[in-house]
Amino acid sequence: DSGVTQTPKHLITATGQRVTLRCSPRSGDLSVYWYQQSLDQGLQFLIQYYNGEERAKGNILERFSAQQFPDLHSELNLSSLELGDSALYFCASSVGTGHYGYTFGSGTRLTVV
Amino acid sequence: KNQVEQSPQSLIILEGKNCTLQCNYTVSPFSNLRWYKQDTGRGPVSLTIMTFSENTKSNGRYTATLDADTKQSSLHITASQLSDSASYICVVSVNRDDKIIFGKGTRLHILP
Repeated sequence: DSGVTQTPKHLITATGQRVTLRCSPRSGDLSVYWYQQSLDQGLQFLIQYYNGEERAKGNILERFSAQQFPDLHSELNLSSLELGDSALYFCASSVGTGHYGYTFGSGTRLTVV
Repeated sequence: KNQVEQSPQSLIILEGKNCTLQCNYTVSPFSNLRWYKQDTGRGPVSLTIMTFSENTKSNGRYTATLDADTKQSSLHITASQLSDSASYICVVSVNRDDKIIFGKGTRLHILP
């Protein structure tokens, strides 16, 4: 157990729908990062939050949004889902703002049908 | 352009054999390089982290090397085990960790 908790583990939904993925960081970590990993593709950085504020943005679509709450958990909202959004979505957390030494959760597998 | 290239794309070896995975990067300014192991359907787990001044770092049967001059890194796995079957991802950090670049990984299969 890495200490980073992601729910749900699996999610199946239809095109056009909206889903919310949840991440609880490791105790003491202030940064949360979201990544997308499509089948046989590398990890793509989506967005980072640090202590409730957006810190960095990667290749995140306009249909996707995220936030980090006062208790430091984070949610990734995916809307108007398309078949191509099917992927593993990982959350990682770290103490500081840098990417150095962060820990990944076990991911949420999203299947859009 | 900041890039991380890994080779081979996939590798099959027999249990007990050694293997070496390669990572070449064109990232500047370099901050650090990490190797991750990712089991199928699971999150990546950090194996080693190396900064500019470190040439080698070991974690059990895993040994990573870094040549900052040629911008190359390798991950050597000794006496492979079935549990080593996974994807190995090279990740390079830019400019004091403001940005990270992921390689696409090497898929390693260990056969009994």
